[in-house]
Amino acid sequence: GQQLNQSPQSMFIQEGEDVSMNCTSSSIFNTWLWYKQDPGEGPVLLIALYKAGELTSNGRLTAQFGITRKDSFLNISASIPSDVGIYFCAGLRETSGSRLTFGEGTQLTVNP
Amino acid sequence: GAVVSQHPSWVICKSGTSVKIECRSLDFQATTMFWYRQFPKQSLMLMATSNEGSKATYEQGVEKDKFLINHASLTLSTLTVTSAHPEDSSFYICSARGFSGRGSYNEQFFGPGTRLTVL
Repeated sequence: GQQLNQSPQSMFIQEGEDVSMNCTSSSIFNTWLWYKQDPGEGPVLLIALYKAGELTSNGRLTAQFGITRKDSFLNISASIPSDVGIYFCAGLRETSGSRLTFGEGTQLTVNP
Repeated sequence: GAVVSQHPSWVICKSGTSVKIECRSLDFQATTMFWYRQFPKQSLMLMATSNEGSKATYEQGVEKDKFLINHASLTLSTLTVTSAHPEDSSFYICSARGFSGRGSYNEQFFGPGTRLTVL
């Protein structure tokens, strides 16, 4: 099925650095979700965004719903080793019912 | 709140046998459940969507007779992989959305996944 364009595909950073990743699409979404997946586990919801322009924080994580409704970004500040994992964006469109469209994931590695 | 469990967490079976995976919403009522499969280093691929009490809607290319989905109650959905073959080996993940006493969830909450290995 259709996927969102998520970048970067992978990141290698030092502990304490800030991280930014984003998702873009040619389609409009009315909900954006950011998940983190650890190896051998299911995705865990980090942040949910419902309105264009919305900026939401969850601890060291901040995500924004783009004004055009075609993109979203996730920032992680002051990264720590447990931030390691795969981060997925997911979008929900009115025309897709309740089916999510997923990005391809960003593999984050944090070096202590 | 919004906890989803899956059982088993992993299973190894012989080729030709059937395997059932359960997905439960523990603290909310799941009006809709979703089944995904995920190959290593790839994103989640939606297999089917099921609404409580009705037949599942399968994505294009997913064989409904091979992947049987039952969503008999608001807290339980099952996926049965029939006549499993090695190419069915994958990580199967369910998710659910619905409502609790505090309102409805627009988000999907995922289970921890089931690792299926077919020998």
